[in-house]
Amino acid sequence: EAQVTQNPRYLITVTGKKLTVTCSQNMNHEYMSWYRQDPGLGLRQIYYSMNVEVTDKGDVPEGYKVSRKEKRNFPLILESPSPNQTSLYFCASSLGTGTYNEQFFGPGTRLTVL
Amino acid sequence: AQSVTQLGSHVSVSEGALVLLRCNYSSSVPPYLFWYVQYPNQGLQLLLKYTTGATLVKGINGFEAEFKKSETSFHLTKPSAHMSDAAEYFCAVKRAGGTSYGKLTFGQGTILTVHP
Repeated sequence: EAQVTQNPRYLITVTGKKLTVTCSQNMNHEYMSWYRQDPGLGLRQIYYSMNVEVTDKGDVPEGYKVSRKEKRNFPLILESPSPNQTSLYFCASSLGTGTYNEQFFGPGTRLTVL
Repeated sequence: AQSVTQLGSHVSVSEGALVLLRCNYSSSVPPYLFWYVQYPNQGLQLLLKYTTGATLVKGINGFEAEFKKSETSFHLTKPSAHMSDAAEYFCAVKRAGGTSYGKLTFGQGTILTVHP
């Protein structure tokens, strides 16, 4: 089944404790992206990747890192999480960046930073 | 820069009534427009999209939307609401060209409640 998977689905952590949220897609998609969803703000892009070893900042990149060493994986790294990073995070992928390329979303990771 | 505004963070309708969720966009170039639906505890699912051609777009689950350039709108409608339509709906815009790099700009979302 074609899908985007994220792990973990739920995570409660404390300020300053490094964490990684994994994202994997099995559709051989080139483009991958991370979004955070906050009430009243919709989804905002954190980082995106056009292909392996090609990443760039989105609208809200502060406090986050990403890497793209393999085409299928695009982990989101929080080196020193803070409470303002408590949010619902979505990974998405698409075949390319063209407007006809639908983005497929993972199920989401709900992160709470205490 | 492009932006999306969804009018009404919460919309409540009775089962069988018309559903109308409003979306207005701002874009300096012709936009491509999308509606996504998010059911509780799930990711986003594409409902429909407008790229080029016919301005009335039909999507899944009986939803449709009309692109009106003069009004910069892309409102989502369904003639008869069903209980299973209860979800959060997001309007999104993607630039038709330039250095958009596939980025979707989302509205703030509208929660649809359907009453029996």
